[in-house]
Amino acid sequence: GAGVSQSPRYKVAKRGQDVALRCDPISGHVSLFWYQQALGQGPEFLTYFQNEAQLDKSGLPSDRFFAERPEGSVSTLKIQRTQQEDSAVYLCASSSAGLDFGPGTRLLVL
Amino acid sequence: QKEVEQDPGPLSVPEGAIVSLNCTYSNSAFQYFMWYRQYSRKGPELLMYTYSSGNKEDGRFTAQVDKSSKYISLFIRDSQPSDSATYLCAMSSTYNNNDMRFGAGTRLTVKP
Repeated sequence: GAGVSQSPRYKVAKRGQDVALRCDPISGHVSLFWYQQALGQGPEFLTYFQNEAQLDKSGLPSDRFFAERPEGSVSTLKIQRTQQEDSAVYLCASSSAGLDFGPGTRLLVL
Repeated sequence: QKEVEQDPGPLSVPEGAIVSLNCTYSNSAFQYFMWYRQYSRKGPELLMYTYSSGNKEDGRFTAQVDKSSKYISLFIRDSQPSDSATYLCAMSSTYNNNDMRFGAGTRLTVKP
């Protein structure tokens, strides 16, 4: 079956621009996670949803980061006023045993 | 100190070698232990999933967990060039993975 998909796969943004990253989880998966992966590092937790409820957003680095999952399926991670330090790969995962990851969105902020 | 420590390598071995990858952790509440493989420009894919201490074997891969030492390992037998990737350990205290933490990843190259 279809795995987790993410779009866009690549995004170049100018500093100060707002971006929106989309995640389509595996159908029927209740739990959805967002991670940030810097170059040469492991994924770092950002936020977690169970259905439409955002149960943990302790990993969001600042109030410029916002995530939503209004209908309990597709999720969007929004970054406002992007900064250079936001450049990373943003991974979405939905949960069965372990996490099923999407391919990630590679964000470059110039 | 990070919750999960993993030597980033890089690690280079000849084809057919046995590879040993390791992680240590500090949170004794972790009970679920995973190894992910990540190819360049791809998302991590789950390789091994184990609960609590013990060994688990799947083909050429063996995962070991020693909770008393807070130490986990992944062994790859008869390594192949296609095994060249970054290997990430991960662990969680809950079945729903909402506190999963990752190591930094070890970059492995298997040379033909």
